[in-house]
Amino acid sequence: GDSVTQTEGLVTLTKGLPVMLNCTYQTTYSPFLFWYVQHLNEAPKLLLKSSTDNKRTEHQGFYATLHKSSSSFHLQKSSVQLSDSALYFCALSDPAEGADRLTFGKGTQLIIQP
Amino acid sequence: DTTVKQNPRYKLARVGKPVNLICSQTMNHDTMYWYQKKPNQAPKLLLFYYDKILNREADTFEKFQSSRPNNSFCSLYIGSAGLEYSAMYLCASSSDRGMYEQYFGPGTRLTVL
Repeated sequence: GDSVTQTEGLVTLTKGLPVMLNCTYQTTYSPFLFWYVQHLNEAPKLLLKSSTDNKRTEHQGFYATLHKSSSSFHLQKSSVQLSDSALYFCALSDPAEGADRLTFGKGTQLIIQP
Repeated sequence: DTTVKQNPRYKLARVGKPVNLICSQTMNHDTMYWYQKKPNQAPKLLLFYYDKILNREADTFEKFQSSRPNNSFCSLYIGSAGLEYSAMYLCASSSDRGMYEQYFGPGTRLTVL
């Protein structure tokens, strides 16, 4: 079955520094990849999505590029802010197995310090 | 309004007792989902409704029930709660069968004692 791996459980950074959160996946077919962000006591919200190989997608200062050759969809930001502190989930949807199902990674908790 | 609402936000239940969690959305989405999230684990899909058709995951088939009395509401029902049911339960909805985006509620934190 499909799987998503997020290698970092916790990332702590100082404001203004760049960040990269890793996401790799396994699937048989051609998936949609998503990044969701969940702030404390709030609902997870879609941050980025992509199904196009080697195309950078950006939103709210975050960006990611789907690389099918390496099965990766890493999330990056050039300068983190205090408000970026949140839980970040990578997820995939495999249309071949029914686009209904989102397979999630365990999530990466990002903490930004002043 | 892209809000998915969940009630209650916190639920305390006794072992062996039933639990009913409620989710609502006003986006006229055709699909509604329930996920279970435990600490240090990935959110896990339990079941989803596409319109009036219920799809339950094979490994949780007998543990959870659900109903969708109309397009806006969906419930998650546990007939007899066990300690292992303690978790965050996330409801989500989507159109186009989730092809592009699922909208999530804030979750219900269930604690079974």
